[in-house]
Amino acid sequence: DAGVIQSPRHEVTEMGQEVTLRCKPISGHNSLFWYRQTMMRGLELLIYFNNNVPIDDSGMPEDRFSAKMPNASFSTLKIQPSEPRDSAVYFCASSTQGAGGDEQYFGPGTRLTVT
Amino acid sequence: QKEVEQNSGPLSVPEGAIASLNCTYSDRGSQSFFWYRQYSGKSPELIMSIYSNGDKEDGRFTAQLNKASQYVSLLIRDSQPSDSATYLCAAEHYTGGFKTIFGAGTRLFVKA
Repeated sequence: DAGVIQSPRHEVTEMGQEVTLRCKPISGHNSLFWYRQTMMRGLELLIYFNNNVPIDDSGMPEDRFSAKMPNASFSTLKIQPSEPRDSAVYFCASSTQGAGGDEQYFGPGTRLTVT
Repeated sequence: QKEVEQNSGPLSVPEGAIASLNCTYSDRGSQSFFWYRQYSGKSPELIMSIYSNGDKEDGRFTAQLNKASQYVSLLIRDSQPSDSATYLCAAEHYTGGFKTIFGAGTRLFVKA
């Protein structure tokens, strides 16, 4: 079974441009998470979905960030307009939430550079 | 106080030794705990999960949980240079769905 798929793997853009990151979770997983990782702040949860419904978006830094999950096999994280401080690695993870806990499986990440 | 705290390291151990990684958490309601390994430039990879007090062993890895002390640890026996990575401790909260809080990670170096 394929793992979590993210695209693009690398993105370089200029300040002010719109950036869209994409994620395909593992088939059968009902929860999807978007994280951002930087050296200064570590791994931060931005938003997570359960059964395609956003449950907690308290980690989304500001209105420039938005995320959608139109169906069980696809999610996007959009930044508009982008700023240099958004430069980071963005990870998508998925899991099967339930009595067994929440063992998350991470995608390879998208390295975003905003110049 | 951070919700999940780890010593950032680096922790350096010789090959073949036991590496001991420690973590504390602040939410007494947390029931599930995880250790992830992250190699440089790669994504986090789940290596252990633990839900009950005591020890859980998987190969060279042993996770230990003490809910009374709000303490989680990971022991790596017979450490290998390939174990050199950053180890992230994580604790789970329930807020209408499961939300995992990660520590900042401990960098481990295993010297050949």
